Amino acid sequence: DAGVIQSPRHEVTEMGQEVTLRCKPISGHNSLFWYRQTMMRGLELLIYFNNNVPIDDSGMPEDRFSAKMPNASFSTLKIQPSEPRDSAVYFCASGMTGGIWREQYFGPGTRLTVT
Amino acid sequence: GQQLNQSPQSMFIQEGEDVSMNCTSSSIFNTWLWYKQEPGEGPVLLIALYKAGELTSNGRLTAQFGITRKDSFLNISASIPSDVGIYFCAGPVFNDYKLSFGAGTTVTVRA
Repeated sequence: DAGVIQSPRHEVTEMGQEVTLRCKPISGHNSLFWYRQTMMRGLELLIYFNNNVPIDDSGMPEDRFSAKMPNASFSTLKIQPSEPRDSAVYFCASGMTGGIWREQYFGPGTRLTVT
Repeated sequence: GQQLNQSPQSMFIQEGEDVSMNCTSSSIFNTWLWYKQEPGEGPVLLIALYKAGELTSNGRLTAQFGITRKDSFLNISASIPSDVGIYFCAGPVFNDYKLSFGAGTTVTVRA
C-alpha cells in the first residue's frame, strides 16, 4: 500500500522566493497534518485538516505560511516569501480521527533550505 | 501544557543486547504511540497502545501502556544494527487529534 507521498524531497531556494510543498495522504484517511521538524524545536504541528477543512492553524508561524486541501487526496503548504529561518524538514501526516483512533502516518518529508 | 519526558536521551547498543526506553507525562494519556525515525526519513509508527496495562508486540519490539496512564515503555530485544535511529513516544493532547512528542531517544551502535 502506498504511504503518504510528499514532493519534492529536497528544495533549495533563495530568500524571498515562493516555496510550495505537496502532499498526498493515504487513501481513505480523513485527517491531514503538516509538521515542521528542527533540531531546536523538534516536531511542531503547523496545521490540521479534517475532511479537507482546516480545523486548527494555530501552529502556522506567520502569514507567510498558508496551506490548502482542495480535495481528499492532495494538500499544499506554501511559504511566500521564504526566509532562511524557514529552513527545516516539513512532514505531512495523515490518519483517521474519530473515536479512539489517534494514529498518524508520516510521509518521508521535504528538506527545505532557504539561502 | 502537557509534556512528555523521554529517557534516556541517547543510548549505545551492542548487537544482541536488550534495550529499554520510557516516556512519562505530567498528565493522564489515553493513547501512547511509539515511532522510529531514521536519517532522512519520516517517523514510522511502530506500536499504538490504547488501554492502561496493555502490552503489545511488533516483532522484537514490545511496548507497554503504564497502569497509571502517565507512562509507557518500549523494549527492543536482541538488538541488531538496523535498530539504530531515533525513537519517539507521542500521545494526544487533551485526548484530541494534536499529538505531543517526546524529545526522542537516539539509539546508536556501540563501536
